[in-house]
Amino acid sequence: GQNIDQPTEMTATEGAIVQINCTYQTSGFNGLFWYQQHAGEAPTFLSYNVLDGLEEKGRFSSFLSRSKGYSYLLLKELQMKDSASYLCAARGNTGFQKLVFGTGTRLLVSP
Amino acid sequence: NAGVMQNPRHLVRRRGQEARLRCSPMKGHSHVYWYRQLPEEGLKFMVYLQKENIIDESGMPKERFSAEFPKEGPSILRIQQVVRGDSAAYFCASSPPGQANEKLFFGSGTQLSVL
Repeated sequence: GQNIDQPTEMTATEGAIVQINCTYQTSGFNGLFWYQQHAGEAPTFLSYNVLDGLEEKGRFSSFLSRSKGYSYLLLKELQMKDSASYLCAARGNTGFQKLVFGTGTRLLVSP
Repeated sequence: NAGVMQNPRHLVRRRGQEARLRCSPMKGHSHVYWYRQLPEEGLKFMVYLQKENIIDESGMPKERFSAEFPKEGPSILRIQQVVRGDSAAYFCASSPPGQANEKLFFGSGTQLSVL
């Protein structure tokens, strides 16, 4: 079967660091994606990991462990505008963007 | 460069009517995907199309749903004889041809409400 698990909701304060975890089980694996979605808006791409390790991109970093079926998204120096849902998605071996999404983690950043 | 354009943003239909959702991909993108987001659920893959071809429709319900991406014009997701359970946000996404690791560019979605 295919399953993506991530926490439903998290809260943090402005300037802090937050880590959003994601575990996945998919039939075949060819990459892990993180998207950001503000309420009522389009999901926007944040990061992509296919090899084990950490990918850093400004305030956002994403980590992948293929052997553990585990990823996390790390957000540093949180800003109010980071309040959004963060979607973890895994891609199988199809060779195109047929993604299995988690239900998303709603992050609320408070002053 | 305009992003992925979906229309309408909001669509209200009565049970039994037809719903037509339109998607124009980003310029230069020839791959179109439709995803559905039910309340409190994650995005679910429905169908993947290239121009004039359906590549994978494994996520489409067997009945009442169809999709096309003609040579000219937008991609259309068509839902016949809508039922209340079809109420959801329908997102279209596009990607350029070629590389498998390309990210998806999503539209803002069509919120379908069935009365």
